[in-house]
Amino acid sequence: NAGVMQNPRHLVRRRGQEARLRCSPMKGHSHVYWYRQLPEEGLKFMVYLQKENIIDESGMPKERFSAEFPKEGPSILRIQQVVRGDSAAYFCASSPGGTQTQYFGPGTRLLVL
Amino acid sequence: QKEVEQDPGPLSVPEGAIVSLNCTYSNSAFQYFMWYRQYSRKGPELLMYTYSSGNKEDGRFTAQVDKSSKYISLFIRDSQPSDSATYLCAMSEGSTGNQFYFGTGTSLTVIP
Repeated sequence: NAGVMQNPRHLVRRRGQEARLRCSPMKGHSHVYWYRQLPEEGLKFMVYLQKENIIDESGMPKERFSAEFPKEGPSILRIQQVVRGDSAAYFCASSPGGTQTQYFGPGTRLLVL
Repeated sequence: QKEVEQDPGPLSVPEGAIVSLNCTYSNSAFQYFMWYRQYSRKGPELLMYTYSSGNKEDGRFTAQVDKSSKYISLFIRDSQPSDSATYLCAMSEGSTGNQFYFGTGTSLTVIP
């Protein structure tokens, strides 16, 4: 049973470009969460999605950031017009629903030059 | 005030020592308490999961929750060099899908 998969593992973008981060949840999991981790800081919740629905996006910046979890395919976290402050590790977690346990992927490390 | 407070350390102990890691929190609505282990440049790995107050033991790991004091602990017995990692506490209010609130993590090094 494969774990949560994220790609790319490392992503380098120049200021103003777009970044697309992908997350495939564990088999059988229909709930996906995105977190951001900055150096010396804890994981910060960004958004919680179920298939085709955004359930809670209270941690998502209002501009430039969007997320989706389509009926088919991985969940996507999209950052438009990246700035240096977007440089961080972005983690995706999944859960089967009806449980408080979340399983994390290996993360995508975004570097904005 | 942060929702969850955790001493970042770093904490350095000799092999075989008992390690105590702690978090405090301010939201009395938290009911689910988790401990994650994160190795350098890896994703967090779920270690322990506890509901409400009490103790839970799993091998060398024991999780304690004291809701009256808003204080949770993770004890590691007979610590091993392979336990060297950052330990993150996390908690949530309980309904499925409620967001998790994480501590900043405590960096632990176990010296052989």
